[in-house]
Amino acid sequence: DTEVTQTPKHLVMGMTNKKSLKCEQHMGHRAMYWYKQKAKKPPELMFVYSYEKLSINESVPSRFSPECPNSSLLNLHLHALQPEDSALYLCASSQVGTGEDDTEAFFGQGTRLTVV
Amino acid sequence: AQSVTQPDIHITVSEGASLELRCNYSYGATPYLFWYVQSPGQGLQLLLKYFSGDTLVQGIKGFEAEFKRSQSSFNLRKPSVHWSDAAEYFCAVGEVDSNYQLIWGAGTKLIIKP
Repeated sequence: DTEVTQTPKHLVMGMTNKKSLKCEQHMGHRAMYWYKQKAKKPPELMFVYSYEKLSINESVPSRFSPECPNSSLLNLHLHALQPEDSALYLCASSQVGTGEDDTEAFFGQGTRLTVV
Repeated sequence: AQSVTQPDIHITVSEGASLELRCNYSYGATPYLFWYVQSPGQGLQLLLKYFSGDTLVQGIKGFEAEFKRSQSSFNLRKPSVHWSDAAEYFCAVGEVDSNYQLIWGAGTKLIIKP
C-alpha cells in the first residue's frame, strides 16, 4: 500500500466555521507533512511531523492547527479562516532520512478548500 | 541560498514529439533531485529521483532525467509524449536529514498538441 489518503476531497467553509482535514497512511512512514498549494504555484510547506512530534512550523498562522494523533494519522484543524486561505491542501509522508531508497515523499490527492 | 529554477512556465509539444523540461538548481552540497508530476486538481506523483551514482536516471511513464553537476542541471526528457502527459511538472531539491524538506521549482505546464 503506497497510498496517502486525504479526506474530504472538497470542502467549502465559512469564515466562522471550524473544520478538520484528515490524512492517513499505512506505509510505516514516521514523517508526515502538510503543504498548501495555490493555483499554478508549487506546494508550500506548512508543517512537518517527525515521530509524531511537530518539528517544523513554517510560520503558519494559528488559525491552522495540526495534530498527529498517531503514526498513521495527521489532521489539520481549521478555524476562522480567510478567503485567501482557499487552496489545495496536500498531505505527504516519508521515511525519516534513513537512507536514499527510503527518501521519497508520497503525496495524497489533496483537499480542495474554499473559504467563503 | 538554495533554489530551483524551471525557466519555462509552459511548453507546448506535439503528440509523439520528444520533450525536454529544464531544471537548474543552486545548492551547496550534493543535491538530492526529484521530478514530480501533477495532473489538474490532483496530488503530486514522483516521476524519478537522483541521489548518487549513474547520472542518467530512469523513471516511470517512460521519463528519464540526467544530472549534470557542471551545469547544475537536472533536465527531464521523454522521447515521445502522449496526450496523457499533459500536466504540471515540478523539479525539487531535497536534503536528507531528520526533517525531510524539498525546495520546489515554480513548475512547467506541459501542453500537448494533437
